[in-house]
Amino acid sequence: DTEVTQTPKHLVMGMTNKKSLKCEQHMGHRAMYWYKQKAKKPPELMFVYSYEKLSINESVPSRFSPECPNSSLLNLHLHALQPEDSALYLCASSQGDSSYSPLHFGNGTRLTVT
Amino acid sequence: GDSVTQMEGPVTLSEEAFLTINCTYTATGYPSLFWYVQYPGEGLQLLLKATKADDKGSNKGFEATYRKETTSFHLEKGSVQVSDSAVYFCALSPPSDYKLSFGAGTTVTVRA
Repeated sequence: DTEVTQTPKHLVMGMTNKKSLKCEQHMGHRAMYWYKQKAKKPPELMFVYSYEKLSINESVPSRFSPECPNSSLLNLHLHALQPEDSALYLCASSQGDSSYSPLHFGNGTRLTVT
Repeated sequence: GDSVTQMEGPVTLSEEAFLTINCTYTATGYPSLFWYVQYPGEGLQLLLKATKADDKGSNKGFEATYRKETTSFHLEKGSVQVSDSAVYFCALSPPSDYKLSFGAGTTVTVRA
């Protein structure tokens, strides 16, 4: 079982909807990440939170809005998405901001935008 | 910038065959190197890692050695099983950074 839990597993939303993806970890990790993965492609980094502060935004459109309420939780708020935003959204965490700390991934939320 | 190049897939093997997936990288300094595996319908799992030259990472029968002289981190397994069918990603993170650069991924299918 993965130690990073993501909900929901699947989400279908219309282009005018507002929804949120949730991620939780209880490993005491201080860095948390959102990745987007299209079919048969590697994950693409979207956001990084380090010690609950946003440290990296990879020029992601504002229709994606991350939030880190505390060190264990990470949310991704979605609004006015486009069909091309359909993908697997992966959350990950790591112990810190060192290159030696491997990422622990959740199983993802498979998002379909209609 | 930093980058990772993996051998193209898909790779199809019979059970008990030998598996090699080539991975080479371009980076300044001494990055950390990783292999992640993604089983169908799941997220990525760390398979093994190496943080300095000549380190050998190993897990579940898989091995990879950090070769600075050839900038390579090839993944090997001596006898694959059907349960090894997955997508394998080579990745690096630069020193003092935690941004992963992934290779394109290699899909491996093992047939009974």
